[in-house]
Amino acid sequence: DSGVTQTPKHLITATGQRVTLRCSPRSGDLSVYWYQQSLDQGLQFLIQYYNGEERAKGNILERFSAQQFPDLHSELNLSSLELGDSALYFCASSVEYGSYNEQFFGPGTRLTVL
Amino acid sequence: GIQVEQSPPDLILQEGANSTLRCNFSDSVNNLQWFHQNPWGQLINLFYIPSGTKQNGRLSATTVATERYSLLYISSSQTTDSGVYFCAVFQPHKAAGNKLTFGGGTRVLVKP
Repeated sequence: DSGVTQTPKHLITATGQRVTLRCSPRSGDLSVYWYQQSLDQGLQFLIQYYNGEERAKGNILERFSAQQFPDLHSELNLSSLELGDSALYFCASSVEYGSYNEQFFGPGTRLTVL
Repeated sequence: GIQVEQSPPDLILQEGANSTLRCNFSDSVNNLQWFHQNPWGQLINLFYIPSGTKQNGRLSATTVATERYSLLYISSSQTTDSGVYFCAVFQPHKAAGNKLTFGGGTRVLVKP
């Protein structure tokens, strides 16, 4: 158990819908990252938050958005869903102490868009 | 951006065999992590190894940062070692944040 929790574990929805994925980081970790794992694109970075502020964006679609709340949990919002959004979505967290930046991953949310 | 290549892409082992997985990266990196993705999809941290050698039970890893590669050794493999092994690197560029860039993975199947 990495200490990072994600809900829900599975999500099945229809095209055009909107969903919210939730992540709670390890105790003491200020950074939260979201990654997408799909068959054709592999594991790709989407976005990073540090202590409530957006720090970096990767290949995140405009239909996707995220935020980190004062209690440090984060949510990833996916809207106008398409079949191609079906993937495993991971949240990771890290403490970022000096140059130490080991990331720990949650169990993932498997999204299926029908 | 940085390229991360893993080899071999697939590996079939008989239980008890030893193996070496390789990760090459195209630019200097600050940190490197190895993960095991089990058949249930969970990513499990194996090593945080920006340089040098580390051992954890039957697994060990070596990173030679100056030559831009890392190796993961699996000894006396067991069926529970099956899954996909990923190498991921982190570069110190502020604009890119602290993201990990993943390799394509090595899919390992250990047969009893």
